Amino acid sequence: GAVVSQHPSRVICKSGTSVKIECRSLDFQATTMFWYRQFPKQSLMLMATSNEGSKATYEQGVEKDKFLINHASLTLSTLTVTSAHPEDSSFYICSASRFTMNTEAFFGQGTRLTVV
Amino acid sequence: DAKTTQPPSMDCAEGRAANLPCNHSTISGNEYVYWYRQIHSQGPQYIIHGLKNNETNEMASLIITEDRKSSTLILPHATLRDTAVYYCIVSGSARQLTFGSGTQLTVLP
Repeated sequence: GAVVSQHPSRVICKSGTSVKIECRSLDFQATTMFWYRQFPKQSLMLMATSNEGSKATYEQGVEKDKFLINHASLTLSTLTVTSAHPEDSSFYICSASRFTMNTEAFFGQGTRLTVV
Repeated sequence: DAKTTQPPSMDCAEGRAANLPCNHSTISGNEYVYWYRQIHSQGPQYIIHGLKNNETNEMASLIITEDRKSSTLILPHATLRDTAVYYCIVSGSARQLTFGSGTQLTVLP
């Protein structure tokens, strides 16, 4: 199957700093990528939809100024957690799919963010 | 998107078939049934998806009832590495998936 790669897989940062997470589709072009967040013992929650060449669409309750999303190419989307706080500590996961609407979506391996 | 109902947990003996049920009684005609699984601290892994007909691939089989109100994911010969949370998702598009709480499958030696 197609490969979606996230980097870094794990990051620890200090409160108040910003952290950038990259999501790459390695062998296909993804016009849309999705960012999810997962807290311990909970399911994945969609944060935002990242569209190549346009502004991201954020889910209700997700602060767009705090979680900056950039999708500058068909193979790369980035999520920047700005001014991170301990409550932002979570597992962040991206997904991407090919242009065809009903093909499967592929997920990255996730990024474990710990804010201290 | 239609909601799904799955049992919170199931056990299965290693080497036996694991049958994971999912109810989706409000599914619409253009919505697919997707199955993903998540092994601890990893991103979800695609397993299989279908619309009306039963589907089979190298990982699993998907049996969808004729009225499409429920489905069953079958892992024919479960191994310890199949221990994971299995998510049944109904959606008109694979590009945006809403995850429920899933079924924690534990394969026992």
